[in-house]
Amino acid sequence: GAVVSQHPSRVICKSGTSVKIECRSLDFQATTMFWYRQFPKKSLMLMATSNEGSKATYEQGVEKDKFLINHASLTLSTLTVTSAHPEDSSFYICSALTSGRGVQETQYFGPGTRLLVL
Amino acid sequence: QKEVEQDPGPLSVPEGAIVSLNCTYSNSAFQYFMWYRQYSRKGPELLMYTYSSGNKEDGRFTAQVDKSSKYISLFIRDSQPSDSATYLCAMTSNTGNQFYFGTGTSLTVIP
Repeated sequence: GAVVSQHPSRVICKSGTSVKIECRSLDFQATTMFWYRQFPKKSLMLMATSNEGSKATYEQGVEKDKFLINHASLTLSTLTVTSAHPEDSSFYICSALTSGRGVQETQYFGPGTRLLVL
Repeated sequence: QKEVEQDPGPLSVPEGAIVSLNCTYSNSAFQYFMWYRQYSRKGPELLMYTYSSGNKEDGRFTAQVDKSSKYISLFIRDSQPSDSATYLCAMTSNTGNQFYFGTGTSLTVIP
């Protein structure tokens, strides 16, 4: 199956700092990647859809200036949490959409990044 | 009405039991149906992927889609403690870019 990595897996930072999370598709190219947030024992909450070479599409209620997304290549999308605050502490998960002939088009998820803002 | 409904559980079964997990949906345009397994503090892992109606079997797992009833199921035979996780259903239409997830069902298999 397709493999998606995320880095870092865990980050602790001080309030007011910015944190960048990388999402990479390791063995396939992904025109589209998704960023999710998940609170403990809750389902996935889609934050934004990231398309290579264009601006991300944010879900209602998600601040695009707070959560900066860059999808500069077909294998890498980054999420930067700017001026992080304790309420931004959460589990952030990315996924990549497979596409192309002979490949089932579906989402493969990264392992997640746990962010703790002190 | 939510696009996808899934009973959050929790569901607790003894080892060896057959587990049935279900989702219902409202959008008849959905064609692709997925089941993901998520262990605590990990990203979801794709378990099963089916297109349109019918059954698909992979080892102890069977996915069923009944488009006429807008109902999908995941069966786990001979359940093991290692199956303890949250199971998420997901679905999308032919356009593919927008996916809809269930809230997830928490399963515990007791040794």
